[in-house]
Formats: sequence, structure tokens, C-alpha cells
Amino acid sequence: KAGVTQTPRYLIKTRGQQVTLSCSPISGHRSVSWYQQTPGQGLQFLFEYFSETQRNKGNFPGRFSGRQFSNSRSEMNVSTLELGDSALYLCASSEQGAGEKLFFGSGTQLSVL
Amino acid sequence: GQNIDQPTEMTATEGAIVQINCTYQTSGFNGLFWYQQHAGEAPTFLSYNVLDGLEEKGRFSSFLSRSKGYSYLLLKELQMKDSASYLCAVRISSNTGKLIFGQGTTLQVKP
Repeated sequence: KAGVTQTPRYLIKTRGQQVTLSCSPISGHRSVSWYQQTPGQGLQFLFEYFSETQRNKGNFPGRFSGRQFSNSRSEMNVSTLELGDSALYLCASSEQGAGEKLFFGSGTQLSVL
Repeated sequence: GQNIDQPTEMTATEGAIVQINCTYQTSGFNGLFWYQQHAGEAPTFLSYNVLDGLEEKGRFSSFLSRSKGYSYLLLKELQMKDSASYLCAVRISSNTGKLIFGQGTTLQVKP
């Protein structure tokens, strides 16, 4: 089975722009979670989608949004980018999101200039 | 709030044993995970504890005490490739992919 695939691997944007990141989970996995990783804050939960519905949400502003498609692929969008949004964005998938381990993608490294 | 504490950095010698501690204070508990992350790579699953006690898997073992809010990851026969960041994470409720992560412990293995 292919692992969790995230695209693009690297992104450079400027303040005020918006960005869309993509995540393809492992085949058969229905839960997709997004995390932001920074040196100062570590890994922080953004949101989780299960069967095209947002099931959980972290403490991030409304500029951060996401969605999940019928094939379980997920996208996250960040609007009006700020310098502080520079981070590694990780996607993780699991079969049901019900206690089993998460499988992480390699992430998208976003730099906001 | 949720709080998970781990040492920031540790150094150990190749062939030795190292123990990485994790303490947590969370609003709920539905399991504790350990992940390994090499620089520039995805975190990979190491272990999962939901009941008290020791789980052993090859060179890696993980221990949990729910009453003390405490876990540790034990790495034996250290190898150079074990140099990585080790992340402790708590699931605070069931039926969710939401984990609360500690800041991670960067382990450097020296020859």
C-alpha cells in the first residue's frame, strides 16, 4: 500500500496570499487529521475529517479551513497568510480514527515571506 | 488546559540504554503514543499504551502509569540511526484522530 502523500513538498508564499495543501490518505483510511509543526510549538492539531465531515477542530483561527472529498482525499486552506504561518504542515490518516495509530505524511513545508 | 512534558534534549552512547520520560496532565485519557521523527521526515509510530504496564517491541519498550500521568520510552542497544526526535502524544477521547503532542525530545547518539 502507498503511504500518506502530501503535495506540494515545499511552498513559498508572501503575506496576504492564500494557500491550499493536499493530502491523499492510505487506501481504505477514512480519517484524515492535519497538524502544524513549528520549532517553538511542536505539533499542534488543526482539524480532523471523517467521511467528508469535520469531526474535531483545534484552536486555530478561521483562516485555517479544510475539507474532505468522497475518496477521503483532503485539502487544507490558509487564507490571508501571516509570517507566523510558516511551518511544516503534516497530514495523518487512520482507518477509523478510533484509537488506532496514525500514519503521517512527510508534510508540506510552508514559508511565508 | 492540556500539558505534556518531555526533556528537550538527551545524549547517549551507541550500544547503551536510554529512557525518555513523558508526563502528562490532560482533560481526558484514551491512550498514549510514542512517535519517532527524523529530521525532514514524517513521524513514524513506535508504540501505544492504553493500560498500565510495559509494552515491549524489539529494542523499544514503553511504559505507562495512568495514576501518575507518566510514561517512558526505553531504547536498548542504541544505534546511530536512533538519533531523532521522540514525540509523546496523548489521545484525550475515543473515536478521534486528535492527539496532543509534547514538544519532543531530540536524542543524539554518539559513537
